[in-house]
Amino acid sequence: GAVVSQHPSWVICKSGTSVKIECRSLDFQATTMFWYRQFPKQSLMLMATSNEGSKATYEQGVEKDKFLINHASLTLSTLTVTSAHPEDSSFYICSARGSRVVEKLFFGSGTQLSVL
Amino acid sequence: AQSVTQPDIHITVSEGASLELRCNYSYGATPYLFWYVQSPGQGLQLLLKYFSGDTLVQGIKGFEAEFKRSQSSFNLRKPSVHWSDAAEYFCAVGAIAAGNKLTFGGGTRVLVKP
Repeated sequence: GAVVSQHPSWVICKSGTSVKIECRSLDFQATTMFWYRQFPKQSLMLMATSNEGSKATYEQGVEKDKFLINHASLTLSTLTVTSAHPEDSSFYICSARGSRVVEKLFFGSGTQLSVL
Repeated sequence: AQSVTQPDIHITVSEGASLELRCNYSYGATPYLFWYVQSPGQGLQLLLKYFSGDTLVQGIKGFEAEFKRSQSSFNLRKPSVHWSDAAEYFCAVGAIAAGNKLTFGGGTRVLVKP
């Protein structure tokens, strides 16, 4: 089956630094990728939708200048948390869609971000 | 807007017993419905999905779910639970009209007693 690789699996950083998370589709071209955020013991909240070659669409309440999303190719999308603060500590998960149908949606394994 | 409710935050079940996880959704048209399982610190694994047709859907790991339009429900069941089924379970709804975004329920944590 299709595989989505997310890297790194976990990262610890100092407050004020920026962190980049990569999401790659390994055996298919992902026209659309989604980025979710999950706080401990809570559900996944959609942050943004990125389409290859265009600007990401952010959900209400998500700061686009803080969470930079780049989807420069059909196999790679990146989420950069800029000037990270402890409240940005969370589990971030990407998903990738290979076609227009919602069933072709695959999730990465997630990235645990801890900001000290 | 679409929404999903999982009424049970925690469920404890004995190994070998049956399991049912509730999911209610709200959406104006026929939704696409999903059940995912998440182990601690891990991503999501798709258990099963419903798009159309037979309202009883079979999934992996012995799970099944039944779509009931009249009740706006998509409950997940397993006849006999194994210790490895202990995890967090998420119900999700998606629709083409919503750009194929998934909206997740709050999740149900399943604990399995020996």
